[in-house]
Amino acid sequence: NAGVMQNPRHLVRRRGQEARLRCSPMKGHSHVYWYRQLPEEGLKFMVYLQKENIIDESGMPKERFSAEFPKEGPSILRIQQVVRGDSAAYFCASSLGDSWNGYTFGSGTRLTVV
Amino acid sequence: AQKVTQAQTEISVVEKEDVTLDCVYETRDTTYYLFWYKQPPSGELVFLIRRNSFDEQNEISGRYSWNFQKSTSSFNFTITASQVVDSAVYFCALSDSNNAGNMLTFGGGTRLMVKP
Repeated sequence: NAGVMQNPRHLVRRRGQEARLRCSPMKGHSHVYWYRQLPEEGLKFMVYLQKENIIDESGMPKERFSAEFPKEGPSILRIQQVVRGDSAAYFCASSLGDSWNGYTFGSGTRLTVV
Repeated sequence: AQKVTQAQTEISVVEKEDVTLDCVYETRDTTYYLFWYKQPPSGELVFLIRRNSFDEQNEISGRYSWNFQKSTSSFNFTITASQVVDSAVYFCALSDSNNAGNMLTFGGGTRLMVKP
C-alpha cells in the first residue's frame, strides 16, 4: 500500500532547461495537489487537479509552469526554461475526494537550478 | 481569505523542557480544518494532527498536545519533555470550504531546535 510517490527526489537543472516532476497518487486517490516550498518558507499551494482536469490553478505562476493529471499515469508538474528562483522543494499530495477523508503528502522533489 | 500566522520563526530549548508553538488563523468560514505537520531535517512532511472546527476538545498524544481555542482563533501545539529528535520545522495549516477541494494554507513554520 504505497503512499504518494514523487520522483525524482532531487533534480538539478541548468538555467533554461526544462524540469519535469512526477507524482503518483495513493491507490484509489483521484485528486492531486502540488505545493511549492521556497527555501526557509512555508508551503504554498500551486494547483489542484482531478483526472484529466485542472480544478484550481490559482497558485501557479502564469508563465513557464504547467501541470497535468492524465487518465493514465502520474501527475506531471512541468517547468519550462527554469531560472534560479525556481529552486525549491515541490510537494505533491493526493486525496480521495473533496471531503477530508485523507490527504497524504509525498516526500517531495528538490529542484536545484544552477 | 484564509491566513495562518506562526509568529515564532525559531525556538531553541534544552532537552526535557516543555515548549509551545503558536498558531493563529483567519477564516470567514464556520467549517474548517486545522493541521500540524512536522518537517524534520530529511525534508519530508509528517502529519501530526487534523482538527475540525466543531471539535474544540484539546487533544493529547503522548508528549504532544494541542489547544484549540476558537475564541482567539488559535491552535497551539505543546511538546512536553522535549527531545533532540523533536528538532524540526513545524507547520500549522488551515483548510476551509472556500477552497476548491482540500487546499491547505500553511503558516510560515516554526523551527524548533532542541539541544542536549
